[in-house]
Amino acid sequence: DAGITQSPRHKVTETGTPVTLRCHQTENHRYMYWYRQDPGHGLRLIHYSYGVKDTDKGEVSDGYSVSRSKTEDFLLTLESATSSQTSVYFCAISGSSGTETQYFGPGTRLLVL
Amino acid sequence: QQQVKQSPQSLIVQKGGISIINCAYENTAFDYFPWYQQFPGKGPALLIAIRPDVSEKKEGRFTISFNKSAKQFSLHIMDSQPGDSATYFCAANAGNNRKLIWGLGTSLAVNP
Repeated sequence: DAGITQSPRHKVTETGTPVTLRCHQTENHRYMYWYRQDPGHGLRLIHYSYGVKDTDKGEVSDGYSVSRSKTEDFLLTLESATSSQTSVYFCAISGSSGTETQYFGPGTRLLVL
Repeated sequence: QQQVKQSPQSLIVQKGGISIINCAYENTAFDYFPWYQQFPGKGPALLIAIRPDVSEKKEGRFTISFNKSAKQFSLHIMDSQPGDSATYFCAANAGNNRKLIWGLGTSLAVNP
């Protein structure tokens, strides 16, 4: 398995609270992605990064922000969590060998009450 | 707007049968077509991928068939096994932007 960890793996929070999810990789891959997965919607890209401090929005970026201050870490922040952000969040990485293959982390299950 | 349309949404196959999942795309700039497999509680993992310069790619029991003129590609799982029960996603990518466009997934159940 690619060296990708996500933390926390499970989180329950209340509406209106800030939440930060962390993705950590040991593969020195250039590209990192945050997806959310919901029944009936498949995988939807939230934000992605193509290098340190280089990030861009995906298709469902509203309510989310990201930061990447070093190659190995990509943080996803929900500034003020809402119940619609209850989901499973996956981090992915790609780019070491010039292929487009994305390697996924184990996911974080977030419940916003 | 769904740029990659995947069907069926769910599929039930008997052990030993052939599972077929189809995807259609619209953007002719797409040049990389992977299939990912996801087991419950896990992240998706690359299963097999194809580029449009070939019409078929086979890896073990898994085959991708690609029809460039019809803008369709499909995954065939031969001799389907209960261990193949998972959700399968097709995807597509154009150039080097490294963003995949995903189908909505197919939940496959292989009955023993």
